[in-house]
Amino acid sequence: EPEVTQTPSHQVTQMGQEVILRCVPISNHLYFYWYRQILGQKVEFLVSFYNNEISEKSEIFDDQFSVERPDGSNFTLKIRSTKLEDSAMYFCASSARDSPHEQYFGPGTRLTVT
Amino acid sequence: AQSVAQPEDQVNVAEGNPLTVKCTYSVSGNPYLFWYVQYPNRGLQFLLKYITGDNLVKGSYGFEAEFNKSQTSFHLKKPSALVSDSALYFCAVRDTDSWGKLQFGAGTQVVVTP
Repeated sequence: EPEVTQTPSHQVTQMGQEVILRCVPISNHLYFYWYRQILGQKVEFLVSFYNNEISEKSEIFDDQFSVERPDGSNFTLKIRSTKLEDSAMYFCASSARDSPHEQYFGPGTRLTVT
Repeated sequence: AQSVAQPEDQVNVAEGNPLTVKCTYSVSGNPYLFWYVQYPNRGLQFLLKYITGDNLVKGSYGFEAEFNKSQTSFHLKKPSALVSDSALYFCAVRDTDSWGKLQFGAGTQVVVTP
């Protein structure tokens, strides 16, 4: 069964450093998302992406964040200058054209900012 | 604003007994409701959705959910729980102002004992 994959599974970085979290969505999916979950808190929407542009973003997704689909398979989330409060589990998700509401999630990347 | 609430942090059930995980929602307009399950070190897995139609929705792994408009509830059920159903369950609602943004509940840990 096709699945969303994410790398790395765990990323440790120092405050102020840039990080790139990588995702490979399911191959025929057209809609892509990033969510995050701070330890002990709810899963929160960050951004959705369709047709090579951001469709929607939350207030969390400020100018320190960016997303990109650099080729036909990868979908990345970049944090330019990490803060301690960016420590969280980051989930990538994708959905298909004919069922956009069924989002399929990757296993997540645990980001630890020290 | 749309939201869901999961009133129970944890549900304990013996194997073979019925399992219910509660969810209530608050939306303006018609709700799009979802259940996801998360196993340790795995991403969120889609279980089922309600968009329109029958109030009883059947999903993966023998789960079903009942949409109740008068009680604004969308409880997840399984007639006979398995030990392998032990996981974290999330209820979610799609923002009516959005096509892709999901709002998640806090999650309910299900523990099924042999």
